[in-house]
Amino acid sequence: GNSVTQMEGPVTLSEEAFLTINCTYTATGYPSLFWYVQYPGEGLQLLLKATKADDKGSNKGFEATYRKETTSFHLEKGSVQVSDSAVYFCALVGAGGTSYGKLTFGQGTILTVHP
Amino acid sequence: DTGVSQDPRHKITKRGQNVTFRCDPISEHNRLYWYRQTLGQGPEFLTYFQNEAQLEKSRLLSDRFSAERPKGSFSTLEIQRTEQGDSAMYLCASSFPSAGIVETQYFGPGTRLLVL
Repeated sequence: GNSVTQMEGPVTLSEEAFLTINCTYTATGYPSLFWYVQYPGEGLQLLLKATKADDKGSNKGFEATYRKETTSFHLEKGSVQVSDSAVYFCALVGAGGTSYGKLTFGQGTILTVHP
Repeated sequence: DTGVSQDPRHKITKRGQNVTFRCDPISEHNRLYWYRQTLGQGPEFLTYFQNEAQLEKSRLLSDRFSAERPKGSFSTLEIQRTEQGDSAMYLCASSFPSAGIVETQYFGPGTRLLVL
């Protein structure tokens, strides 16, 4: 079946530091890949997505590139802010069949950014 | 506010009691999903509806769980004879898939259930 593995956390950074959160996946075919973010006390929000190999999703300074050869979708940001403190989830939707539309999530990575 | 809403936001119950949660999706969204999230884990799929039809159920959804979406709008998730292992955040999401475009699911704030 489909699965998503995220780097173990939590991650603690100083403001303006570079961020990488690793994500690898297992799926048949060509899944679509997502990063969701959950700010304290709020629901999950879509941060960015990519639907085919070599696509780059970007939003709010965050980027992730769909790497089919390494089955990865690592999240990066060049300069984090205190307001980026949240839990980040990598997720996929399988390509067709019974998994269509159903999100499979990683375990989440807690990011804390200090001033 | 036109986002996904869930009610209640918090529920504390005693083991063996029945509980019911409600989800109101974004209007005109015809797909509705339920997920469960336990502490320190990512959400896990429970079930989903296309309009009023329940099209898929996870093995996580034991026979104590039932979900409905009677008129293709709001949905309810009922847990009968609750167990302590049911304690979790229950998330609802909705979407409106378009041909050729990967759908985006919009999540509600969740209902946090604690079974004592």
